[in-house]
Amino acid sequence: SAVISQKPSRDICQRGTSLTIQCQVDSQVTMMFWYRQQPGQSLTLIATANQGSEATYESGFVIDKFPISRPNLTFSTLTVSNMSPEDSSIYLCSVEGDGSKWGYTFGSGTRLTVV
Amino acid sequence: DAKTTQPPSMDCAEGRAANLPCNHSTISGNEYVYWYRQIHSQGPQYIIHGLKNNETNEMASLIITEDRKSSTLILPHATLRDTAVYYCIVRVGDGRETSGSRLTFGEGTQLTVNP
Repeated sequence: SAVISQKPSRDICQRGTSLTIQCQVDSQVTMMFWYRQQPGQSLTLIATANQGSEATYESGFVIDKFPISRPNLTFSTLTVSNMSPEDSSIYLCSVEGDGSKWGYTFGSGTRLTVV
Repeated sequence: DAKTTQPPSMDCAEGRAANLPCNHSTISGNEYVYWYRQIHSQGPQYIIHGLKNNETNEMASLIITEDRKSSTLILPHATLRDTAVYYCIVRVGDGRETSGSRLTFGEGTQLTVNP
């Protein structure tokens, strides 16, 4: 099954700045998913990233705020732009099952605190 | 995807079976029931899934009612490490992980296993 490395694991950022989160997978995957988990809440899908095309954003999320890159089949980045304290959350990337193991695999997440 | 309803919290004694219920009364014929769990400070982890037959793997058992409107995840011998938030997710599938088929997380059940 896929192994995901997500960086950074945590960061504290000043409001108005941007943070880019990296997600590296040890195998080629078609789709990668980015989630947000606000404090004490469940996971919310931000967008789906397909290699070679624009990411598909869920309602309430826009590309200007959360630009995503997907340059190849093993890597993606999510940028949280012009941050405010409301962006303080855990951000997780996920990939689909690869056929050898059921279920989606999730990274360990990036815990972001905006001050 | 069908909506699911789970109790917000449950307690279980260590070594006893933990039975986590999930209602999905609007489930469609082509929707599977998936269970994931999220241990504190980690990404969600796949547990098990099923369509209409009961399923068992090394982690748990899944019991789906005949009308498919509800299901129960059973951890046969709960340990302290099973303390986590458990998510019941219903989504369209064909039994495999299909590209582009995303997961929609509800609020889940916080299971606390007590010594």
